[in-house]
Amino acid sequence: EIVLTQSPGTLSLSPGQRVTLSCRASQSVSSSYLAWYQQKPGQAPRLLIYGASNRATGIPDRFSGSGSGTDFTLTISRLEPEDFAVYYCQQYGSSPLTFGQGTRLEIK
Amino acid sequence: EVQLLESGGGLVQPGGSLRLSCAASGFTFSSYVMSWVRQAPGKGLEWVSVISVSGGSTDYADSVKGRFTTSRDNSKNTLYLQMNSLRAEDTAVYYCAKCEVGWRGWFDPWGQGTLVTVSS
Repeated sequence: EIVLTQSPGTLSLSPGQRVTLSCRASQSVSSSYLAWYQQKPGQAPRLLIYGASNRATGIPDRFSGSGSGTDFTLTISRLEPEDFAVYYCQQYGSSPLTFGQGTRLEIK
Repeated sequence: EVQLLESGGGLVQPGGSLRLSCAASGFTFSSYVMSWVRQAPGKGLEWVSVISVSGGSTDYADSVKGRFTTSRDNSKNTLYLQMNSLRAEDTAVYYCAKCEVGWRGWFDPWGQGTLVTVSS
């Protein structure tokens, strides 16, 4: 099983700032089969990125993903108030599908 | 608009059973692999199960294997999760999700979730 470790656990930032979230895999994720999701309190997760760097439909271009192998990042170029949420990475290169433990973005 | 609507959650005693449903609309349900993902209160996401388009193939997380069964009725556009021998650690919000790119893929979209509480 591929274990995904996200860092940091919590980030306190202000609107307008740039942020980079990390997702590190315990073994190589084949073909960059990695997705990112955003989850707000009381809501279901929402797909942001698939294939490590492809934005999902309707996702603003301030969100970008990169990486390969075991190291992946999600970058938000300029934080908007609605971006404060929990972010999860997920690998789908091998079974079982696994998620990271999440990074919480909170308003400073 | 693609929509997934779960139902069937509730309070059940340890050792009991529950069946969840997920009604799909806005897409050709019979053409997509579907999954269940759960989230314990205040915790992260855990993949639970996946089912092929025909329903002939399934796979499960080790934590639920032998206790949970996923099925689908393509004529009713509905996904099911039969949960038996429930344990306290099965307490979670259960989401159904449409799987992109086949058997192993990303999830988009997700339903709103249904809460299952296992407690005496």
